[in-house]
Amino acid sequence: GAGVSQSPRYKVAKRGQDVALRCDPISGHVSLFWYQQALGQGPEFLTYFQNEAQLDKSGLPSDRFFAERPEGSVSTLKIQRTQQEDSAVYLCASSPTRGQGGNTIYFGEGSWLTVV
Amino acid sequence: AQSVTQLDSQVPVFEEAPVELRCNYSSSVSVYLFWYVQYPNQGLQLLLKYLSGSTLVKGINGFEAEFNKSQTSFHLRKPSVHISDTAEYFCAVSDSQSGGYQKVTFGTGTKLQVIP
Repeated sequence: GAGVSQSPRYKVAKRGQDVALRCDPISGHVSLFWYQQALGQGPEFLTYFQNEAQLDKSGLPSDRFFAERPEGSVSTLKIQRTQQEDSAVYLCASSPTRGQGGNTIYFGEGSWLTVV
Repeated sequence: AQSVTQLDSQVPVFEEAPVELRCNYSSSVSVYLFWYVQYPNQGLQLLLKYLSGSTLVKGINGFEAEFNKSQTSFHLRKPSVHISDTAEYFCAVSDSQSGGYQKVTFGTGTKLQVIP
């Protein structure tokens, strides 16, 4: 389809394991966001890319979290040495413009991470 | 910085009855306001948004919301709900004055349960 695609949809990781979550935004979208949604909570901002530039990573909870978008399209969120508190749905979203003006942000279905 | 409060975590309502989901926001600057819907195991879908102009905003699936600046509210309403409206609804806000990207802050969500 033409929407935001995320993989894997479901991931079970052992505590201490590294994980990588992939996001394919809508083709041509300039802006890309990562959000973390814990059980029973609303999405919390993690980081923002404008093309390949990571302009805001203020929401990343620790230095174990790392995100990249090297060619300005596909993005990967990497979590090193996973902990149980990392268990959440990780949502990727994209927007066609640089993001100002209240433009619609399109969300993927999320990657459900469970750390055991 | 902005914040969003959704006063009700769960709202049960009978099919074909009206519903109102409450949302209040806090911000020191003017804002854009959004309502998103999340069906089970799916991503977020935009229902409607307020950017400027008329304070009554109509969205998809028969939903509407009214922006009230004096009460800093953006309540979501539907005159007659259907079983298919059972989902979680998120109110969200972003800063309309930012010259940069659009950082959206979400509430904690309201689960709407439509009872047959």
